[in-house]
Amino acid sequence: RKEVEQDPGPFNVPEGATVAFNCTYSNSASQSFFWYRQDCRKEPKLLMSVYSSGNEDGRFTAQLNRASQYISLLIRDSKLSDSATYLCVVTQAAGNKLTFGGGTRVLVKP
Amino acid sequence: NAGVTQTPKFQVLKTGQSMTLQCAQDMNHNSMYWYRQDPGMGLRLIYYSASEGTTDKGEVPNGYNVSRLNKREFSLRLESAAPSQTSVYFCASGWGLGNQPQHFGDGTRLSIL
Repeated sequence: RKEVEQDPGPFNVPEGATVAFNCTYSNSASQSFFWYRQDCRKEPKLLMSVYSSGNEDGRFTAQLNRASQYISLLIRDSKLSDSATYLCVVTQAAGNKLTFGGGTRVLVKP
Repeated sequence: NAGVTQTPKFQVLKTGQSMTLQCAQDMNHNSMYWYRQDPGMGLRLIYYSASEGTTDKGEVPNGYNVSRLNKREFSLRLESAAPSQTSVYFCASGWGLGNQPQHFGDGTRLSIL
């Protein structure tokens, strides 16, 4: 079983709609969680950190469910520019290494 | 705002050739990392350097060596390139704390024939 798993998609989303997807992690000792965004043939870029209480950044909302060991990302009022691959990233308590999920591809269409 | 700079951007090698990928960061970060990204595999850590003077293996270190030249620079060397090392390579840097994100360079696309 992979340490961090994501539905690869693609999620085809009409412009203006809401889309949500999850990421599951296997290590219950995982400490920190992030969502990165990666555009085609570009480097990953931090989208947002995920806090225990959940957090929101504009149209993006991230949630953490430690009991079920997953994090989620919700995008409201999707824009064409939201089309990208969203990478779930987890760090362990002991160190500074990140473990990446395989990514969820989102395609926003007019 | 250079951030993390990688060179070269693209490279084609023949099997058995050697080369070094260069990475430099200007954010005064303690830690630096090398990843490879393959279709369907996500990003996998090759080597990392938690601080100047230290290096450690990641998930897929075989066939690679690294050098943390100073706090700014972290290079990745392929001594004898193999077709299985065809990939996109990303360098990243960060403060080395679990709750802090990493910042990535824009990648090196390496093809080995």
